[in-house]
Amino acid sequence: EAQVTQNPRYLITVTGKKLTVTCSQNMNHEYMSWYRQDPGLGLRQIYYSMNVEVTDKGDVPEGYKVSRKEKRNFPLILESPSPNQTSLYFCASSLTGQTNYNEQFFGPGTRLTVL
Amino acid sequence: RKEVEQDPGPFNVPEGATVAFNCTYSNSASQSFFWYRQDCRKEPKLLMSVYSSGNEDGRFTAQLNRASQYISLLIRDSKLSDSATYLCVVNEDSNYQLIWGAGTKLIIKP
Repeated sequence: EAQVTQNPRYLITVTGKKLTVTCSQNMNHEYMSWYRQDPGLGLRQIYYSMNVEVTDKGDVPEGYKVSRKEKRNFPLILESPSPNQTSLYFCASSLTGQTNYNEQFFGPGTRLTVL
Repeated sequence: RKEVEQDPGPFNVPEGATVAFNCTYSNSASQSFFWYRQDCRKEPKLLMSVYSSGNEDGRFTAQLNRASQYISLLIRDSKLSDSATYLCVVNEDSNYQLIWGAGTKLIIKP
């Protein structure tokens, strides 16, 4: 089944404790992206990757890191999480970075709480 | 400042009714437009793209008004299963980024 998977789905952690949220897609998509979703706000892009070893900042990259060593995986790293990073996180992928043509496929989301 | 604005709702609509909502965008150079649907606590999924001439997919009709910089979504003969949040999405070609609205919540009541 074609899908985007994220792990963990739920995470409660404490300020400053490094964490990684994994994202994997099995559709051989070139483009992958991380978003956060907060009440009353639209999805905001954190980082995106046009292809392996190519990553770029989105609108809200502060406090996050990413890597794209393999085409299928795009982990999101929070080196020192803070309470303002409490949010619902979505990973998405599409065939290419031409977002005007390509549907975005989303993972099921990771609900992160930082105490 | 790039923006996509939506009425958050909720729109409470009886089953079988027709409902329409709009989304305005600030960047006149925007090229592509989409409606995504998001069920409660789930991931967004593409509902339909919005073409310049307007397009229809079953009970759903999407339209684009470039002069006034808004897109609209019309749902006819609404079903209980249409209850969801509808996200307006705009593509600004220059940087391959999508700009997302905060969504309009629709509740269809029996």
